[in-house]
Order: sequence, then structure tokens, then C-alpha cells
Amino acid sequence: AQSVTQLGSHVSVSEGALVLLRCNYSSSVPPYLFWYVQYPNQGLQLLLKYTTGATLVKGINGFEAEFKKSETSFHLTKPSAHMSDAAEYFCAVRVAGGTSYGKLTFGQGTILTVHP
Amino acid sequence: EAQVTQNPRYLITVTGKKLTVTCSQNMNHEYMSWYRQDPGLGLRQIYYSMNVEVTDKGDVPEGYKVSRKEKRNFPLILESPSPNQTSLYFCASSLALGNEQFFGPGTRLTVL
Repeated sequence: AQSVTQLGSHVSVSEGALVLLRCNYSSSVPPYLFWYVQYPNQGLQLLLKYTTGATLVKGINGFEAEFKKSETSFHLTKPSAHMSDAAEYFCAVRVAGGTSYGKLTFGQGTILTVHP
Repeated sequence: EAQVTQNPRYLITVTGKKLTVTCSQNMNHEYMSWYRQDPGLGLRQIYYSMNVEVTDKGDVPEGYKVSRKEKRNFPLILESPSPNQTSLYFCASSLALGNEQFFGPGTRLTVL
């Protein structure tokens, strides 16, 4: 069965600083990996995804993530935080085959706070 | 406008009273799914459907039922709700498994 661990339930950065949100996964088959963002009182919006191909994936709002198979990680980064980035971020994994083919598993979420 | 709609948006009910939360998408998506969101636990998948008449359990299916008789609709049924099913529920759909999931606005359910 697949699982996702997001290290740090809360991350606080200053405006203009690097954002790094950590995500590690476990999966016995090749994964599809996703990062979603949730603003207060809203649904989830896709930031970026990795399915196959290039391991460095660029998403919306200046975010990117790198799939590192050897480290089973998919950390989310942004070079310079903006106040509007304050939200909750979720990492998710879906396996590309096997008996759990359609199942999508989310991490616990990381709340990002951006200080002026 | 392409969207996923859920109804009701808010519901307060009592233990044991059957309820249905509807979910509908107008994007001709094959894949649909239900999640519940609880503080500190992220989103947990309840059930998913890869096409009409094809449904499967997610991580927390106990106490829930679903059906997929039409491509656009994927209702979530709680036959006998209990207080531990108080949660925020999201429906989502995607064209295929590797594609972006579009989420509905959420249904906040309280079971007294």
C-alpha cells in the first residue's frame, strides 16, 4: 500500500525567502505524484504533478518539485515566498499499477505561513 | 463552466438518519472520487470510481456507500450516520488517473 509523509505540519517563512515543503512517499510500484494547495474555505487546486519523464516539474505560481526516486521524495520549492502563498499544501501519491491502481493517498498537509 | 458541484454545502443531522450527498461533474470525466478532510489527517479517500458501474474502496470506506449509474453523478450515501462521520467532504473528478483532479467546493457535515 502507498503512503505519504509530509515533514512539518507548519512551516513559517519570511516574504522573499525560500519555501521548502517536504514530502516522502512509499510505493511498491511507480508512482504518480501531486502537490495541491488549499486556500481557506476553498477546495483543492493542483499546483503540479509528476507522472513520467522529466523529474523536475514546474507548476503554477512559481512552484516546482523534483522527483527523487532514490530518496522517495517529492519536495516542493519556491525561490521567493509571497504573502499570497499562505495556504495549506498537500502532497499526494497515486500508484501507476497494481491492485490499488485508482487509489489516491494524501499526506497530512503543511500549513505555510508567510511573514512580512 | 466546467465544474464539480456538491449538494448540500452544509448539513446538520442526527445519528442514524440516512443521508445522501450528491456530486455531479459536467466535464465528461471518467474518474470520480470522494474524500473526507479532518484536521491533522489531510484528505482520506473514501471511495473512487474509474467509470460507470465501476467503484472501489479507498482508505476509509466503512459507513459509506456510493453508486455510479451515470458518468456525471457520484453520490455518497451514509445509511446510518454516526458522530465520527462529522467532517468536511470533497468530491473530485478527473479525465483519467494521471490527470488533474478537479475538486468540488466541499460539504460540511455535522452528525449530532
